[in-house]
Amino acid sequence: AQKITQTQPGMFVQEKEAVTLDCTYDTSDPSYGLFWYKQPSSGEMIFLIYQGSYDQQNATEGRYSLNFQKARKSANLVISASQLGDSAMYFCAMRPMIYNQGGKLIFGQGTELSVKP
Amino acid sequence: ETGVTQTPRHLVMGMTNKKSLKCEQHLGHNAMYWYKQSAKKPLELMFVYNFKEQTENNSVPSRFSPECPNSSHLFLHLHTLQPEDSALYLCASSPSGLAEETQYFGPGTRLLVL
Repeated sequence: AQKITQTQPGMFVQEKEAVTLDCTYDTSDPSYGLFWYKQPSSGEMIFLIYQGSYDQQNATEGRYSLNFQKARKSANLVISASQLGDSAMYFCAMRPMIYNQGGKLIFGQGTELSVKP
Repeated sequence: ETGVTQTPRHLVMGMTNKKSLKCEQHLGHNAMYWYKQSAKKPLELMFVYNFKEQTENNSVPSRFSPECPNSSHLFLHLHTLQPEDSALYLCASSPSGLAEETQYFGPGTRLLVL
């Protein structure tokens, strides 16, 4: 069965510091994609970063980087230089890359990040 | 301009009511999705439409009825709902429904069933 686990229900970080949000996954599919989304209190899910299972390098997007450790099945999100606007729920998601079966994103329970001034 | 819009943003309905949620995407995408987000639970995929054809129904009760008249619009028709259906309903779209594509989400409709 495919599953995403986010073990941190809530996290606090001081403004301008870095924070790591944990994500582990379970899948038997040989090829898959990993995604991180941010959900502010307004409700919209905002795409942050993507990592393919066969990508050799860890993905980076501005202040976001994904610490991908395939053997450990982990895909942690690192936010550098936290800002007050980073306070939100963060969701890790996975999707198997099987031809003709695209679409089904599997989400974790989420981590609520609070950035302190 | 917001890529994916949803209306209404908030909805309160009784169990005997019939209502519809609307989603519109302005991104030129061909795949659209409905997700349900209940409190303290991960997002759950409900339906997938690709080029106006339904390609996935994730065992959703028949009181939820999707409609996709064209690639830009997606509806979720609601009738005889239960209080446990109260949740945030999110619409998303992606270019062609392929696995590696990023899905772009709308702001959601917060539904309360009394």
